[in-house]
Amino acid sequence: SQQGEEDPQALSIQEGENATMNCSYKTSINNLQWYRQNSGRGLVHLILIRSNEREKHSGRLRVTLDTSKKSSSLLITASRAADTASYFCATVLMDSNYQLIWGAGTKLIIKP
Amino acid sequence: DAGITQSPRHKVTETGTPVTLRCHQTENHRYMYWYRQDPGHGLRLIHYSYGVKDTDKGEVSDGYSVSRSKTEDFLLTLESATSSQTSVYFCAISEREAINEQFFGPGTRLTVL
Repeated sequence: SQQGEEDPQALSIQEGENATMNCSYKTSINNLQWYRQNSGRGLVHLILIRSNEREKHSGRLRVTLDTSKKSSSLLITASRAADTASYFCATVLMDSNYQLIWGAGTKLIIKP
Repeated sequence: DAGITQSPRHKVTETGTPVTLRCHQTENHRYMYWYRQDPGHGLRLIHYSYGVKDTDKGEVSDGYSVSRSKTEDFLLTLESATSSQTSVYFCAISEREAINEQFFGPGTRLTVL
């Protein structure tokens, strides 16, 4: 079963615009992670936010976490064609440090 | 990129045949994972290892077995492949538990006819 569910499933925007993806989850977490996957490639870790954190930044990425709503968002500012990829959230449950539980991903297309 | 390789990268096999996928790492990370990725399902954990000869089942372990005789190698075996095991398989590693980031291999595309 999926713990995290991304929204929207697909997003198409113009280069230079901001892209926002959301992730909702069901049970208490230790942390939440975002990964990117380019077509035909493995996943690449983007950012990790712990349950006691509300916001983190990394370059053009901004992640927020609202544990009361069990949701997180990933904002990519000033999008570029190279940002075209699928983005996944993954959660680490409080009682299972070994496993990441993955959502189905958001497919982001940046139009030039 | 983290030193993770997977072999083979592509394989086509027939129903009922055994298949072994190999994951090799040069990072000396303790934890290794096998996932499968199917459209609409994201990644699903098959098996993971927390040390040499220490493995445990994940969410979708039926029909799969694993072995880890060395830190650097984690093998995934399909004893008798079925069409439902057609998928892309990813190996991942992490230095500590999953509470830390995971590094992924390039994937193996397996087709079972």
